[in-house]
This record gives sequence, C-alpha cells and structure tokens, in this order.
Amino acid sequence: EPEVTQTPSHQVTQMGQEVILRCVPISNHLYFYWYRQILGQKVEFLVSFYNNEISEKSEIFDDQFSVERPDGSNFTLKIRSTKLEDSAMYFCASSWTGGGEKLFFGSGTQLSVL
Amino acid sequence: QKEVEQNSGPLSVPEGAIASLNCTYSDRGSQSFFWYRQYSGKSPELIMSIYSNGDKEDGRFTAQLNKASQYVSLLIRDSQPSDSATYLCAVNRAGGYNKLIFGAGTRLAVHP
Repeated sequence: EPEVTQTPSHQVTQMGQEVILRCVPISNHLYFYWYRQILGQKVEFLVSFYNNEISEKSEIFDDQFSVERPDGSNFTLKIRSTKLEDSAMYFCASSWTGGGEKLFFGSGTQLSVL
Repeated sequence: QKEVEQNSGPLSVPEGAIASLNCTYSDRGSQSFFWYRQYSGKSPELIMSIYSNGDKEDGRFTAQLNKASQYVSLLIRDSQPSDSATYLCAVNRAGGYNKLIFGAGTRLAVHP
C-alpha cells in the first residue's frame, strides 16, 4: 500500500538553528500538507500546497516557515530560526484532491528544540 | 467556542462492548467529517469519513452525522483491547483545501 514517508523520524536542534523536514508524498497525489502536534495537544493545520504554491496557511505558519517541492517527489518544510515552542511532532500528509477527500499522513518527525 | 469539541475521556469499556464517541463542531458550513485513530507517538490513521446526514457503517465501525445538530459520532462494536487509542474527530471547512480542524481527541481504553 502506498504511503507518505518522512525523514528524519527525530530531529534535535539548537534554538535559532534552521531545520528542514522532508517528506515524500504518495506518488499520484496532487495536494500536500503539513500539520503539527505539540505534545499533549491537538493536531494543528500549518499549510496546504498545490500546483507549486501555497493554497492556504494558518496563523502558525509565519515568516519563519516555508515549504518547497524541489523536485517531483519531495516536499519540505523549513523553519528558519527555530524557537523552543516549535518543538512538536510534524506530520506531512497528501491527498489526490483538495475537496474534503481523506488525507494520508506520514509517520511524523519529532522536532526537539533545545 | 472551540471549533471541534470532544470529551477527553478516558472512556473505559469492557472487551466486546460498544464504545460510543461523540464530537460537536461549530462551523455550520462544514462539509466533510472524519474519524482518525491515533496511538501514542504515532500519526493519525483514518478510520471513517462521512459527508451526508445519517449512518455509515464499515465493519465494526459506524459513523453518524447530524448536520442540524452539528454532531458527529463514532460507534465501535465488539471493542477489542487493540482499539485502545485516542480517537480524533476532524472537520473540513467548506472551501478549505483539506484544512482539517481537529478536536483534542477522546482516549478510549478497552479492558479485557
């Protein structure tokens, strides 16, 4: 069964450092997403991406965040200058359509900012 | 007012019983509704999706939607210890690019 893969599974970084989280969405999907979940809290939407541009973003997704699809398979989330409060599990997801269809989530990257 | 509300639980049921999980949402324009299961430290896994009023059954799972009451529920029949997890209700706003709004989840514990 096709799946969304994320690397690395764990990332530890120092406050102020840049991190890049990587995702390979399901190959024939067209819509890509990042969600995050702070420990003990709800899953929160960050951004959706379609046709090589951001289609929607949340208030959390400020100028410190960016997304990119550098080639035909990878989808990345960059945090330019990490803060302690960026520590969370980051989930990549993808879907075939953008209109209410089910999302397939990757296994997540646990980001710890020290 | 929280956008998607769920009882945090834990909801404790004996093995073989029916577990009933509930969710309310605030946006009347919501169109798509999902139940995800999340084991500790893992990613959400889709259990059910429902788009129109009424019941939808899939194996041991039944999702129920009442848009007038802004209410979604999930029934798990013949509950098994392996069903012990946190169940997340998620709602897709009208016009949103799969911008799912998640509830905080209900923790279900099925004891032998």
